[in-house]
Amino acid sequence: GQNIDQPTEMTATEGAIVQINCTYQTSGFNGLFWYQQHAGEAPTFLSYNVLDGLEEKGRFSSFLSRSKGYSYLLLKELQMKDSASYLCAVSSYSGNTPLVFGKGTRLSVIA
Amino acid sequence: EPEVTQTPSHQVTQMGQEVILRCVPISNHLYFYWYRQILGQKVEFLVSFYNNEISEKSEIFDDQFSVERPDGSNFTLKIRSTKLEDSAMYFCASSPPGPLGDEQFFGPGTRLTVL
Repeated sequence: GQNIDQPTEMTATEGAIVQINCTYQTSGFNGLFWYQQHAGEAPTFLSYNVLDGLEEKGRFSSFLSRSKGYSYLLLKELQMKDSASYLCAVSSYSGNTPLVFGKGTRLSVIA
Repeated sequence: EPEVTQTPSHQVTQMGQEVILRCVPISNHLYFYWYRQILGQKVEFLVSFYNNEISEKSEIFDDQFSVERPDGSNFTLKIRSTKLEDSAMYFCASSPPGPLGDEQFFGPGTRLTVL
């Protein structure tokens, strides 16, 4: 079966750092994605990890541990516009496969 | 920057009616997908399409659903006889061939409301 877990909601302060965790149990693994989704809009790609370790892209970083079935998304220097849902998704096998999404973490950034 | 487009942005229909949702994937992409997201729930895979045929479909994608690529640019999702529970946001996505093929680019979505 496929199971992806992430916290439902988080709140953080503008300028701070927040870490959003994701654990997964899938029948196969070919990479983990993080998407950002503002209310009523499409998911937009943030990051992709297929090997263990940290991938950094500006204010956003994503970490993967395949042995633990665990990833996190780290957002630094939070801005109000970062208030959105953050979706963890797994690709189970290679070759342009469907993504399996978690329920998303709704992040609220407060002043 | 190229993007996936979808029309209409919002579709309201009566239960039992047929609807066609349209998507124009990014031009050099070869893999196409439909996902749906019921309000407040997670994004769910419906179907993937490659080389003019369905490559994979989920349990949700039953006989009332069909997909088509009628020409070189459009990719459509048809729901033959809509039910109340089909009310959702429907997202089209596409991905390129090659080593970046796993990244899927999503369209803005069509909000389907079935009354």
